[in-house]
Amino acid sequence: GENVEQHPSTLSVQEGDSAVIKCTYSDSASNYFPWYKQELGKRPQLIIDIRSNVGEKKDQRIAVTLNKTAKHFSLHITETQPEDSAVYFCAASSSGNNNDMRFGAGTRLTVKP
Amino acid sequence: DGGITQSPKYLFRKEGQNVTLSCEQNLNHDAMYWYRQDPGQGLRLIYYSQIVNDFQKGDIAEGYSVSREKKESFPLTVTSAQKNPTAFYLCASKGGSVTGELFFGEGSRLTVL
Repeated sequence: GENVEQHPSTLSVQEGDSAVIKCTYSDSASNYFPWYKQELGKRPQLIIDIRSNVGEKKDQRIAVTLNKTAKHFSLHITETQPEDSAVYFCAASSSGNNNDMRFGAGTRLTVKP
Repeated sequence: DGGITQSPKYLFRKEGQNVTLSCEQNLNHDAMYWYRQDPGQGLRLIYYSQIVNDFQKGDIAEGYSVSREKKESFPLTVTSAQKNPTAFYLCASKGGSVTGELFFGEGSRLTVL
């Protein structure tokens, strides 16, 4: 089955700097890669996702890149703000259903003002 | 106000007792999921249900049971057979697209005393 590894487990940046979180996956059949943000004490929420037919997707300060050959994808946050502080989870699944979706262990991002 | 509601938010249980966590959604979603969240381990799938009266085991179903008698409801019972039940439990649902966004509840934190 799918195995998703996420690095780093913790990341601390200064406000205004960029943050990059990386994930690798094992199942070459995976073609859907969402990223969830979980603020302290709150529910995870989808912030961006990418499908395997594209290599990059941007939404304001957030971007995700996908390298299917190398089986890795990354989340990039530019101009970080204190409200970006949260735990970020990557995930991977293949078409058909979400029952094979597997999550990374999470990255705790701290943005220092 | 559409969404997923989990209850209770906090629950304490003595060893040997079963406990049931409630999950209700008014999003008209067919698919519902239960995840367990432990520090440093991401989200692990316990059970899922694609349709009423049908459910399947996830990766860590041992010691848990579910039912899906109504589309809106997907309760999870943590039985006394679960060896390490202290954790944060998240319920989620998904709409009709083949792959897509999971909508999470706010979670239930279970502590076994």
